[in-house]
Amino acid sequence: KQEVTQIPAALSVPEGENLVLNCSFTDSAIYNLQWFRQDPGKGLTSLLLIQSSQREQTSGRLNASLDKSSGRSTLYIAASQPGDSATYLCAVQGAQKLVFGQGTRLTINP
Amino acid sequence: DTAVSQTPKYLVTQMGNDKSIKCEQNLGHDTMYWYKQDSKKFLKIMFSYNNKELIINETVPNRFSPKSPDKAHLNLHINSLELGDSAVYFCASSQAPLAGAGELFFGEGSRLTVL
Repeated sequence: KQEVTQIPAALSVPEGENLVLNCSFTDSAIYNLQWFRQDPGKGLTSLLLIQSSQREQTSGRLNASLDKSSGRSTLYIAASQPGDSATYLCAVQGAQKLVFGQGTRLTINP
Repeated sequence: DTAVSQTPKYLVTQMGNDKSIKCEQNLGHDTMYWYKQDSKKFLKIMFSYNNKELIINETVPNRFSPKSPDKAHLNLHINSLELGDSAVYFCASSQAPLAGAGELFFGEGSRLTVL
């Protein structure tokens, strides 16, 4: 059974810092891994999708890496801004379904 | 344009009632889902449909009955509501031949409160 863990559960950093969010999963037989952002009271917004054959994906200030063999992914956020404050969730795609981690609640302090 | 839309956004009801949540996607996707997010913010899949056919039923009580009249719509009907059904229910869709094999797009959620 796939289990996804995100550490830390919460993170608070000053504006402008670079930061890394971590995601680990127990079953390396995945099709892809997706990072989402969730704002309070809102739905999920897809940030990056990494296929199992890829090592990383970049979008603007975001960079996600995938090490399938070790069951890890990281989301790197460069030059953080207060608008980046949200909960970030990773989800891994196995046979037929997406399994989510519990998220990292990120606060960027001005 | 809203890609995945759910109604209602908020629903407050008494225990024992029956309620429905509707979902529509205008992305032309073949696969739609219902997820439940509990009070601890943990997201878990409930159902998925591919081209109107049920693909995943994740051991959800049979008080929950999804219905897909066409591939752009997936509604969720809940009978005999219980306190533990209080949660945020998210609809999602993806363009994938198999359920869940592609990038997912989510609606904004329907917050259900059972009193």
